[in-house]
Amino acid sequence: DSGVTQTPKHLITATGQRVTLRCSPRSGDLSVYWYQQSLDQGLQFLIQYYNGEERAKGNILERFSAQQFPDLHSELNLSSLELGDSALYFCASSARTSGEGGSGDTQYFGPGTRLTVL
Amino acid sequence: DQQVKQNSPSLSVQEGRISILNCDYTNSMFDYFLWYKKYPAEGPTFLISISSIKDKNEDGRFTVFLNKSAKHLSLHIVPSQPGDSAVYFCAAYSNYQLIWGAGTKLIIKP
Repeated sequence: DSGVTQTPKHLITATGQRVTLRCSPRSGDLSVYWYQQSLDQGLQFLIQYYNGEERAKGNILERFSAQQFPDLHSELNLSSLELGDSALYFCASSARTSGEGGSGDTQYFGPGTRLTVL
Repeated sequence: DQQVKQNSPSLSVQEGRISILNCDYTNSMFDYFLWYKKYPAEGPTFLISISSIKDKNEDGRFTVFLNKSAKHLSLHIVPSQPGDSAVYFCAAYSNYQLIWGAGTKLIIKP
C-alpha cells in the first residue's frame, strides 16, 4: 500500500459527459501528479501540482483540468469525454518537487481509476 | 522524441538467474533516475533510484548501474523470482517532470 488513495476505482460513462477523479496523497506529501495509461501503453504525464499551485504540464488536453485543494487532495476533471479517453488514470504523490536542476523526488502511485467511455 | 528509451519490449529469464533490464537516455541534464515495477491494472511501485553522482545503488536483490558517459542505466535482479514477472519502467527527471520509458515486460520462467 503506497498510501495514495484514488476514487472511484472504476467509472463507466458515456461520450460527451464530464467526470471527476479524486486523489488523496500520502500524508505529508506536497506534490501530486496525474498520469494516463491507455491500452498497455506507457505512462503519459498529464499535470503536476505542488502545494496548491500548478507546477508542470505534460500532454494534457484542453478538455481536461485539475486542481489541488488546501488539504492537498487533488481532482482531475475530464469533460466532453470521447471514446479515446478510456484509460487508466493514475495519481502519484511525492514529498517535494524537482528543482530546475532536474533533481527529483520519488513518486508513489495510487491504484488508479479505470475510466470506460461508451 | 523519446528521451528515455527501453529498447526491449520483453525479456524472458529462468527463475533463479539474473535479470538485466536496460535503459538509454538522451538528455545529459537528467540527474536522477528511478525504476518502477508495474503489475496489470495496478499503479507502478517504486523499486530503486540512483543519482547521477553515483554509478551504482543496491537494495536487496535489486542493483541499478549508471553509466553517464554512455547515457545508459541498467537494473539487475538477482536471483529472479516468479513474483518479479511484471512490466519495468525506467524514468528520469527533467525539470519538474518525470520522463518515462515505454517499459520492458519481464517474464520469469519456472
